[in-house]
Amino acid sequence: RKEVEQDPGPFNVPEGATVAFNCTYSNSASQSFFWYRQDCRKEPKLLMSVYSSGNEDGRFTAQLNRASQYISLLIRDSKLSDSATYLCVVNKNTDKLIFGTGTRLQVFP
Amino acid sequence: NAGVMQNPRHLVRRRGQEARLRCSPMKGHSHVYWYRQLPEEGLKFMVYLQKENIIDESGMPKERFSAEFPKEGPSILRIQQVVRGDSAAYFCASSSQPAGNTIYFGEGSWLTVV
Repeated sequence: RKEVEQDPGPFNVPEGATVAFNCTYSNSASQSFFWYRQDCRKEPKLLMSVYSSGNEDGRFTAQLNRASQYISLLIRDSKLSDSATYLCVVNKNTDKLIFGTGTRLQVFP
Repeated sequence: NAGVMQNPRHLVRRRGQEARLRCSPMKGHSHVYWYRQLPEEGLKFMVYLQKENIIDESGMPKERFSAEFPKEGPSILRIQQVVRGDSAAYFCASSSQPAGNTIYFGEGSWLTVV
């Protein structure tokens, strides 16, 4: 079983739609959680950290459920520029980040 | 304040040749990480270095791969006797503190083995 599992998608949604991505992780010792965004043939960039209480950054909301070992990302009012691959990332307070394979989002006009 | 700089951005090597990928961390960062991304896969940790020291190389293949971060100059990921399966994007990242905090990625080096 992969340490971090994501639905690869693609998710094809119209502009203005709300879309949600889910992610599960296998190691209960995981301490830190993140969502990264990666555009085609580009480096991953930190979108937001994920906290137990849930957190919001503009149109983006992240949730963490430690009991279920489940992380989610909600994007409201999707823009064309949101089209990218979204990577779920966990860290066990070690020196390495564990990346999921990513969920591809395509927003169409 | 320049970001993480990687070069070359694109590299083509024939099977059996050597590939050298360089990474200059952000100014003030002494922690460097190398990740590999195979086509259609997620990023996989390879190695974590601090100046002149390899801290964690648990993700490095046992043969042909090596990494260094000398006191002066960039970090170098070296792949000897490349094979087709080494074709991938190699990302370097750096941080001012050990990972768990924010790390910053370079734009990557795309290696193609023909």
